[in-house]
Order: sequence, then C-alpha cells, then structure tokens
Amino acid sequence: GQNIDQPTEMTATEGAIVQINCTYQTSGFNGLFWYQQHAGEAPTFLSYNVLDGLEEKGRFSSFLSRSKGYSYLLLKELQMKDSASYLCAVSHSYGGYQKVTFGTGTKLQVIP
Amino acid sequence: DGGITQSPKYLFRKEGQNVTLSCEQNLNHDAMYWYRQDPGQGLRLIYYSQIVNDFQKGDIAEGYSVSREKKESFPLTVTSAQKNPTAFYLCASSIGAGEDTQYFGPGTRLTVL
Repeated sequence: GQNIDQPTEMTATEGAIVQINCTYQTSGFNGLFWYQQHAGEAPTFLSYNVLDGLEEKGRFSSFLSRSKGYSYLLLKELQMKDSASYLCAVSHSYGGYQKVTFGTGTKLQVIP
Repeated sequence: DGGITQSPKYLFRKEGQNVTLSCEQNLNHDAMYWYRQDPGQGLRLIYYSQIVNDFQKGDIAEGYSVSREKKESFPLTVTSAQKNPTAFYLCASSIGAGEDTQYFGPGTRLTVL
C-alpha cells in the first residue's frame, strides 16, 4: 500500500520561513505534488517534483529525494494569506493505472 | 472561462435517499476524479476515470456509483448504502492520469440529516 506522512499542524510567524516535510513509502513512484488548500475551498496546485533536488517558484520551493522517500515544501517571507492546509500527494503506478494518493495535509497557521 | 464546476455548493438530504453530485469540465481533460474529504483525513479517492466510458474504483468506492458517458461530465451518486455520507466532495480533472496536475472544482458539501 501507500503511506504518506506529514505533520498535522504547524505555526509560524509572518515574515519568517517554514519548512513542511513529507515522507512517503510507495511502489511505482512517479513524482510528488504539493497543493495548497484554504479552509472550505478546493486545493490548488503548487508544485510537482519528479527528479531529485530543489525547485523554486517565487516564495515557494519544493525539494525531493527519491532515495529517501522525502520531500519538503519551503515557504519564505510568510504572509497571513499563507495560512492554509498544504497537501503532499504521490503519483504512482497501480494495477496498470496511474494514481495520485494524498497525505492528510499540514495545517499551517501564520501569526503576526 | 475554462474550468471545473460542481453544483450545488451545499446539499442537504434525508437519510436513505440517493443523491447525485454533478461535475462538469470544459478543459478537454481525459481524466476525472472524485474525492471525499473529512476533517483530519485528507483527500480519499472514491472513483476515477481515465477516459470516456471507463472508470475504476478508488480506495473508498463502497456506497458510491459513477458514470462517464461524456468527456465533460462525471456525476457521482451517493447511495443509501453509504454509511457516513456527510462530507466535502471534490471533483478534479487532469489532461491524462497519474503525473498530470489535477485541477479541482469548488466542491460540494453534503449533509445527510
């Protein structure tokens, strides 16, 4: 089966940097997604990592280590609007199909 | 505007009634998905379809049914056999399956009284 772990909640200060970790155990791994979800809204795409290393997109960066089954999302210069849940999701091959399995999400609270 | 629509935003039903949630996309995506979200449990896959007239059970398909007669539409029926139907239901689509980014609709919050 698939197993994805990420912290349930985190708190960080406005203007600071926060790192949200995600570890996974899966067969047929293709890549790893990060999504942002504000309360009561739909998830929105942030990043997709296939190769090892860090990918930067403005204030958000995502890192992947395939050999360690590990990823993190790095948020810099935190803003109040970054308060949301961040979902780690793994793309993998399953029974001849390709699937995406989501973690339970990390609820980030940004405080003044 | 291109996108995914789900209606209604809020839905109330009496216990024992079947209810169908709509999902429409005009993105010309082949793959579509239904997820259920409960507090503290993240997104759980109910059904997915990689192409018209084909669909597969996800992790929690019991008590649900779907159809994919048109590329644009992937309705989900919550049947009376679903033990705990009250939840936030999200529909998504992607160009293809697996590695392609999924784009989500606004969701339908179903409450069974």
